[in-house]
Amino acid sequence: NAGVTQTPKFRVLKTGQSMTLLCAQDMNHEYMYWYRQDPGMGLRLIHYSVGEGTTAKGEVPDGYNVSRLKKQNFLLGLESAAPSQTSVYFCASSYQGGGNIQYFGAGTRLSVL
Amino acid sequence: SQQGEEDPQALSIQEGENATMNCSYKTSINNLQWYRQNSGRGLVHLILIRSNEREKHSGRLRVTLDTSKKSSSLLITASRAADTASYFCATAPSGTYKYIFGTGTRLKVLA
Repeated sequence: NAGVTQTPKFRVLKTGQSMTLLCAQDMNHEYMYWYRQDPGMGLRLIHYSVGEGTTAKGEVPDGYNVSRLKKQNFLLGLESAAPSQTSVYFCASSYQGGGNIQYFGAGTRLSVL
Repeated sequence: SQQGEEDPQALSIQEGENATMNCSYKTSINNLQWYRQNSGRGLVHLILIRSNEREKHSGRLRVTLDTSKKSSSLLITASRAADTASYFCATAPSGTYKYIFGTGTRLKVLA
């Protein structure tokens, strides 16, 4: 019972490099979310998806792109990384109904130098 | 701007004492959720209270919701060292999936 799995767990990038963070869930959830968490702050929503093939912008979408080609996967891309994107990234999923209780992955710690 | 704001930002208590933390939000909501985050880990859902509920219990947790004041409180009774964590409230404006988390309350329970 894996739940929500994020890869990689850690990554160091140089300014301008690109990368993709992968989130996979095995609970057949409709909704998936990407958040970032900065020191002393709560989570801020980057992008979310309400179903396969759909994506929508959250609170802080600039500099990120997402794709949901398969129901179980939600990818977060950084096309040209900037130091301001140094953060811990969390993926979550939830099922329709039940109040959208979210199940979180363990996080990806990203440093951009 | 943050939909949810918790206070206090930090709380330190002795084992066995009760811990109360508060959350305020800004728009109408369908429900409010509380999550716990242990250091370096992902968030774990604790309890959900719907907008038509005023109080809810789950084990040592008691949550209240006052929609007229747009506020909620989380009470942890008989706290344990294992309750040491950060606690966040989360809401989404009615009709949206844009969940917004507060800045959190860092709880430290001293053995």
